[in-house]
Amino acid sequence: DIQMTQSPASLSASLGETVTIECLASEDIYSNLAWYQQKPGKSPQLLIYDASSLQDGVPSRFSGSESGTQYSLEINSLQSEDAATYFCQQHHDYPFTFGSGTKLEIK
Amino acid sequence: EVQLVETGGGLVQPGRSLKLSCVASGFTFNNYWMSWTRQAPGKGLEWVASITNSGGSTYYPDSVKGRFTISRDNAQNTLYLQMNSLRSEDTATYYCTRDDNWGVMDAWGQGASVTVSS
Repeated sequence: DIQMTQSPASLSASLGETVTIECLASEDIYSNLAWYQQKPGKSPQLLIYDASSLQDGVPSRFSGSESGTQYSLEINSLQSEDAATYFCQQHHDYPFTFGSGTKLEIK
Repeated sequence: EVQLVETGGGLVQPGRSLKLSCVASGFTFNNYWMSWTRQAPGKGLEWVASITNSGGSTYYPDSVKGRFTISRDNAQNTLYLQMNSLRSEDTATYYCTRDDNWGVMDAWGQGASVTVSS
């Protein structure tokens, strides 16, 4: 199975700041990486797929990038509504696997 | 508007069975692969099962293979998850998802809570 190592487990940032969340795949997943946002008590929502493609309706302050097997989610100009837990997921091969999540707190 | 509504969750004893349903609306159901993904209380996400748009092929992780069965009724726009031989570690919220672009879960239901306990 492909392991997805996500970091950090949590972070705290102020309004307007930029944060980066990372996921390291245990093998090449050929950019088949998605990012999801889950707000407390809600279902996850797709933010980014294929490593860097923004899902329709998602604000452009969210962006994804990759370097080898390392994938990153960057959130610019943090807003209060960005407080959530973020998960990465490889959609390259079965079984699809998720990172352990990053809880983002807005100061 | 895409909508996925899960039903069928509840409290069940270990070793017993439960069947979840997910009614889809707002899109052409038989054009999409569908999946179930679960989340144990306070934990991360775990993919549970996927099915092709025709229902001809299904996929499972080892943790549920042989115990869970995903199926669909395209005439009724409904996805199912039959869960047998349930264990305490199956306790979770189960989400129905629409899959786009090979495993990208672009729509999620509100979730159905399953608790396995005696």
